[in-house]
Amino acid sequence: AQKITQTQPGMFVQEKEAVTLDCTYDTSDQSYGLFWYKQPSSGEMIFLIYQGSYDEQNATEGRYSLNFQKARKSANLVISASQLGDSAMYFCAMRETPSSGAGSYQLTFGKGTKLSVIP
Amino acid sequence: GAVVSQHPSRVICKSGTSVKIECRSLDFQATTMFWYRQFPKQSLMLMATSNEGSKATYEQGVEKDKFLINHASLTLSTLTVTSAHPEDSSFYICSASLWQTNTEAFFGQGTRLTVV
Repeated sequence: AQKITQTQPGMFVQEKEAVTLDCTYDTSDQSYGLFWYKQPSSGEMIFLIYQGSYDEQNATEGRYSLNFQKARKSANLVISASQLGDSAMYFCAMRETPSSGAGSYQLTFGKGTKLSVIP
Repeated sequence: GAVVSQHPSRVICKSGTSVKIECRSLDFQATTMFWYRQFPKQSLMLMATSNEGSKATYEQGVEKDKFLINHASLTLSTLTVTSAHPEDSSFYICSASLWQTNTEAFFGQGTRLTVV
Protein backbone atom coordinates (compact mmCIF):
# COMPACT_ATOMS: atom_id res chain seq x y z
CA ALA A 1 0.00 0.00 0.00
CA GLN A 2 1.15 3.50 -0.76
CA LYS A 3 2.33 5.42 2.23
CA ILE A 4 1.65 8.81 0.67
CA THR A 5 -1.27 9.34 -1.66
CA GLN A 6 -1.77 12.43 -3.76
CA THR A 7 -4.96 11.92 -5.75
CA GLN A 8 -4.71 15.01 -7.94
CA PRO A 9 -2.26 14.55 -10.83
CA GLY A 10 -2.94 18.09 -11.98
CA MET A 11 -4.69 21.17 -10.67
CA PHE A 12 -5.54 24.56 -12.14
CA VAL A 13 -6.10 27.70 -10.13
CA GLN A 14 -6.80 31.27 -11.07
CA GLU A 15 -4.18 33.78 -10.08
CA LYS A 16 -4.88 35.34 -6.65
CA GLU A 17 -7.21 32.51 -5.69
CA ALA A 18 -6.53 29.90 -3.02
CA VAL A 19 -5.93 26.24 -3.84
CA THR A 20 -5.81 23.05 -1.77
CA LEU A 21 -3.57 20.16 -2.71
CA ASP A 22 -4.60 16.86 -1.16
CA CYS A 23 -2.37 14.42 0.66
CA THR A 24 -3.24 11.37 2.71
CA TYR A 25 -0.76 9.14 4.46
CA ASP A 26 -0.53 5.73 6.00
CA THR A 27 1.58 4.91 9.03
CA SER A 28 1.34 3.00 12.27
CA ASP A 29 3.94 5.19 13.95
CA GLN A 30 2.92 7.65 16.62
CA SER A 31 5.80 9.95 15.84
CA TYR A 32 6.20 11.10 12.26
CA GLY A 33 6.65 14.22 10.20
CA LEU A 34 4.89 15.48 7.11
CA PHE A 35 6.50 17.72 4.52
CA TRP A 36 5.52 19.58 1.41
CA TYR A 37 8.03 20.37 -1.30
CA LYS A 38 7.76 22.41 -4.47
CA GLN A 39 9.66 21.30 -7.55
CA PRO A 40 9.79 23.79 -10.43
CA SER A 41 10.88 22.74 -13.89
CA SER A 42 14.52 23.32 -12.91
CA GLY A 43 14.28 20.24 -10.70
CA GLU A 44 15.34 21.61 -7.35
CA MET A 45 13.28 20.58 -4.34
CA ILE A 46 12.12 23.59 -2.37
CA PHE A 47 10.98 22.97 1.19
CA LEU A 48 7.65 24.63 1.92
CA ILE A 49 6.25 23.49 5.21
CA TYR A 50 6.53 20.86 7.95
CA GLN A 51 3.99 19.35 10.35
CA GLY A 52 4.96 17.09 13.21
CA SER A 53 2.54 14.42 14.33
CA TYR A 54 2.44 15.86 17.83
CA ASP A 55 1.95 19.44 16.72
CA GLU A 56 -1.45 20.56 17.89
CA GLN A 57 -1.68 23.56 15.62
CA ASN A 58 -1.64 23.54 11.86
CA ALA A 59 1.66 24.69 10.42
CA THR A 60 1.78 27.95 8.50
CA GLU A 61 4.57 29.54 6.46
CA GLY A 62 3.60 32.74 4.73
CA ARG A 63 1.07 31.89 2.01
CA TYR A 64 1.35 28.18 2.78
CA SER A 65 -0.64 26.40 5.43
CA LEU A 66 -1.06 22.75 6.19
CA ASN A 67 -4.52 21.46 7.05
CA PHE A 68 -3.55 18.59 9.35
CA GLN A 69 -6.34 16.17 10.23
CA LYS A 70 -4.66 13.43 12.19
CA ALA A 71 -7.66 11.14 12.62
CA ARG A 72 -8.26 11.19 8.88
CA LYS A 73 -4.52 10.92 8.18
CA SER A 74 -4.59 13.84 5.84
CA ALA A 75 -2.17 16.73 5.44
CA ASN A 76 -3.48 19.00 2.73
CA LEU A 77 -1.47 22.00 1.56
CA VAL A 78 -3.32 25.26 1.16
CA ILE A 79 -1.76 27.99 -0.96
CA SER A 80 -3.45 31.34 -0.58
CA ALA A 81 -3.36 34.15 -3.13
CA SER A 82 -1.81 32.03 -5.88
CA GLN A 83 0.90 33.58 -8.01
CA LEU A 84 2.15 32.66 -11.46
CA GLY A 85 5.41 31.55 -9.88
CA ASP A 86 3.55 28.91 -7.91
CA SER A 87 3.17 26.82 -11.06
CA ALA A 88 5.21 23.69 -10.33
CA MET A 89 5.04 20.11 -9.10
CA TYR A 90 4.17 19.73 -5.44
CA PHE A 91 5.16 16.70 -3.43
CA CYS A 92 3.87 15.55 -0.09
CA ALA A 93 6.33 13.46 1.91
CA MET A 94 6.46 11.62 5.21
CA ARG A 95 9.29 10.85 7.57
CA GLU A 96 8.71 7.95 9.94
CA THR A 97 10.71 6.85 12.92
CA PRO A 98 13.50 4.64 11.58
CA SER A 99 13.49 1.09 12.81
CA SER A 100 17.26 0.98 12.77
CA GLY A 101 17.68 3.89 15.12
CA ALA A 102 18.67 7.48 14.66
CA GLY A 103 20.19 8.83 11.48
CA SER A 104 17.95 7.18 8.92
CA TYR A 105 15.17 9.67 8.55
CA GLN A 106 14.52 9.21 4.86
CA LEU A 107 11.47 10.69 3.23
CA THR A 108 8.77 8.79 1.37
CA PHE A 109 7.20 10.87 -1.38
CA GLY A 110 3.82 10.90 -3.00
CA LYS A 111 3.46 10.97 -6.77
CA GLY A 112 3.00 14.70 -6.84
CA THR A 113 0.47 17.21 -8.10
CA LYS A 114 1.20 19.53 -10.98
CA LEU A 115 -0.21 22.95 -10.20
CA SER A 116 -0.83 25.41 -12.98
CA VAL A 117 -1.70 29.00 -12.12
CA ILE A 118 -3.79 30.74 -14.76
CA PRO A 119 -3.36 34.48 -15.24
CA GLY B 1 19.21 27.93 6.24
CA ALA B 2 21.39 24.90 5.59
CA VAL B 3 22.64 24.42 2.06
CA VAL B 4 23.34 21.27 0.11
CA SER B 5 25.29 21.61 -3.11
CA GLN B 6 25.22 18.98 -5.82
CA HIS B 7 27.55 18.83 -8.77
CA PRO B 8 27.35 18.56 -11.73
CA SER B 9 23.87 19.81 -12.55
CA ARG B 10 23.93 18.20 -15.97
CA VAL B 11 26.13 15.53 -17.48
CA ILE B 12 26.13 13.66 -20.75
CA CYS B 13 28.27 10.57 -20.98
CA LYS B 14 28.88 7.74 -23.37
CA SER B 15 27.46 4.33 -22.72
CA GLY B 16 29.91 2.19 -20.77
CA THR B 17 31.63 5.03 -18.95
CA SER B 18 31.30 5.97 -15.29
CA VAL B 19 29.96 9.20 -13.87
CA LYS B 20 30.53 10.63 -10.40
CA ILE B 21 28.02 12.95 -8.74
CA GLU B 22 28.98 14.91 -5.64
CA CYS B 23 26.73 16.04 -2.82
CA ARG B 24 28.12 18.48 -0.27
CA SER B 25 26.61 19.95 2.85
CA LEU B 26 28.08 23.44 2.87
CA ASP B 27 27.39 24.74 6.34
CA PHE B 28 26.56 21.75 8.47
CA GLN B 29 27.76 18.24 9.16
CA ALA B 30 25.59 15.53 7.69
CA THR B 31 26.14 12.09 9.12
CA THR B 32 23.45 10.80 6.80
CA MET B 33 22.70 11.70 3.22
CA PHE B 34 20.14 10.23 0.89
CA TRP B 35 20.23 9.59 -2.82
CA TYR B 36 17.04 9.69 -4.87
CA ARG B 37 16.25 9.00 -8.48
CA GLN B 38 13.44 10.64 -10.39
CA PHE B 39 12.18 9.59 -13.78
CA PRO B 40 10.33 12.17 -15.92
CA LYS B 41 6.96 13.12 -14.48
CA GLN B 42 7.36 10.70 -11.61
CA SER B 43 8.08 10.93 -7.93
CA LEU B 44 11.39 10.68 -6.11
CA MET B 45 12.42 7.14 -5.33
CA LEU B 46 14.95 6.53 -2.59
CA MET B 47 17.96 4.65 -3.89
CA ALA B 48 20.20 4.48 -0.86
CA THR B 49 21.08 5.95 2.48
CA SER B 50 24.65 7.11 2.78
CA ASN B 51 26.21 6.95 6.22
CA GLU B 52 29.49 8.66 6.99
CA GLY B 53 32.21 6.15 7.66
CA SER B 54 30.20 3.07 6.89
CA LYS B 55 28.63 1.24 3.99
CA ALA B 56 25.59 2.66 2.32
CA THR B 57 22.21 1.03 2.76
CA TYR B 58 20.56 0.33 -0.57
CA GLU B 59 16.86 0.04 -1.24
CA GLN B 60 15.49 -3.15 -2.67
CA GLY B 61 16.10 -3.42 -6.37
CA VAL B 62 18.99 -0.96 -6.48
CA GLU B 63 22.25 -2.51 -7.67
CA LYS B 64 24.95 -1.57 -5.21
CA ASP B 65 27.73 -2.53 -7.64
CA LYS B 66 26.31 -0.22 -10.25
CA PHE B 67 25.54 2.74 -8.02
CA LEU B 68 28.58 3.14 -5.81
CA ILE B 69 28.15 5.43 -2.85
CA ASN B 70 30.97 6.83 -0.78
CA HIS B 71 30.49 9.03 2.26
CA ALA B 72 34.05 9.68 3.29
CA SER B 73 33.48 12.84 5.30
CA LEU B 74 30.73 14.58 7.20
CA THR B 75 30.21 17.02 4.35
CA LEU B 76 30.58 14.94 1.21
CA SER B 77 28.82 11.97 -0.31
CA THR B 78 29.40 10.76 -3.84
CA LEU B 79 27.32 8.60 -6.15
CA THR B 80 29.15 6.90 -9.00
CA VAL B 81 27.11 5.39 -11.79
CA THR B 82 29.39 2.70 -13.17
CA SER B 83 29.26 1.39 -16.73
CA ALA B 84 26.37 3.67 -17.49
CA HIS B 85 23.69 2.65 -19.97
CA PRO B 86 20.93 4.70 -21.58
CA GLU B 87 18.39 3.31 -19.11
CA ASP B 88 20.40 4.96 -16.33
CA SER B 89 19.47 8.34 -17.77
CA SER B 90 17.51 10.08 -15.07
CA PHE B 91 17.44 12.91 -12.56
CA TYR B 92 19.48 12.12 -9.45
CA ILE B 93 19.08 14.23 -6.34
CA CYS B 94 20.64 14.05 -2.91
CA SER B 95 19.44 15.28 0.44
CA ALA B 96 20.86 15.70 3.90
CA SER B 97 19.38 16.25 7.31
CA LEU B 98 20.60 17.95 10.39
CA TRP B 99 21.20 15.32 13.02
CA GLN B 100 19.84 17.52 15.73
CA THR B 101 16.47 18.06 14.15
CA ASN B 102 14.32 16.09 11.77
CA THR B 103 12.01 18.88 10.77
CA GLU B 104 13.61 19.59 7.46
CA ALA B 105 15.56 17.79 4.79
CA PHE B 106 17.76 19.88 2.51
CA PHE B 107 18.11 18.92 -1.11
CA GLY B 108 20.82 19.47 -3.65
CA GLN B 109 20.01 21.01 -6.99
CA GLY B 110 19.92 17.62 -8.68
CA THR B 111 21.89 16.12 -11.56
CA ARG B 112 20.35 15.35 -14.91
CA LEU B 113 22.25 12.41 -16.37
CA THR B 114 21.96 11.54 -20.02
CA VAL B 115 23.73 8.44 -21.28
CA VAL B 116 24.16 8.29 -25.05
